[in-house]
Amino acid sequence: AQSVTQLGSHVSVSEGALVLLRCNYSSSVPPYLFWYVQYPNQGLQLLLKYTSAATLVKGINGFEAEFKKSETSFHLTKPSAHMSDAAEYFCAVSDRNFNKFYFGSGTKLNVKP
Amino acid sequence: DAGITQSPRHKVTETGTPVTLRCHQTENHRYMYWYRQDPGHGLRLIHYSYGVKDTDKGEVSDGYSVSRSKTEDFLLTLESATSSQTSVYFCAISGLENTEAFFGQGTRLTVV
Repeated sequence: AQSVTQLGSHVSVSEGALVLLRCNYSSSVPPYLFWYVQYPNQGLQLLLKYTSAATLVKGINGFEAEFKKSETSFHLTKPSAHMSDAAEYFCAVSDRNFNKFYFGSGTKLNVKP
Repeated sequence: DAGITQSPRHKVTETGTPVTLRCHQTENHRYMYWYRQDPGHGLRLIHYSYGVKDTDKGEVSDGYSVSRSKTEDFLLTLESATSSQTSVYFCAISGLENTEAFFGQGTRLTVV
């Protein structure tokens, strides 16, 4: 079975500060891992994905995430927050055998001027 | 953007009435999904389909049924709507050549 835990339902950072959103997963098979972003009243947009190639994955808008098998983590980072990064972020794990996707409860990122 | 259309985008219905939400894709993808999004719960899988007429239950399938008679359409039916089914419903698709899911814009359903 697969599951995802996102620590912190709300994270607030100042513009220009480091963004760190935490994600830990549980999976019985080697996972695919994803980060999605959701802006108000919109669907989910893929930020980046890990599919067993490089453990450090770069995505859109300057975000990146590192897969750490020993820690079962896939934390999302961005060196310098921008006001436009304010959104809700979801970590997800995929059961590659059945193509099912399981999501965390989400983290709302607030960026202060 | 992936070609996914959800209809309706908004709906208000009364308790006890049946409701059908439609998801239409133009990508010819094999897999289709219905999720519900509620504050504090993220997205939870209701049902998914791995081919025409092939469906399976997700985490929160009670009170919901689905049908997929064509590759492009995946219908979600609330057999007798309850207030606990007030939510935002998202359709997603994924293909054999993809590892990720692509999402529609969502349907906001209110059961009064």
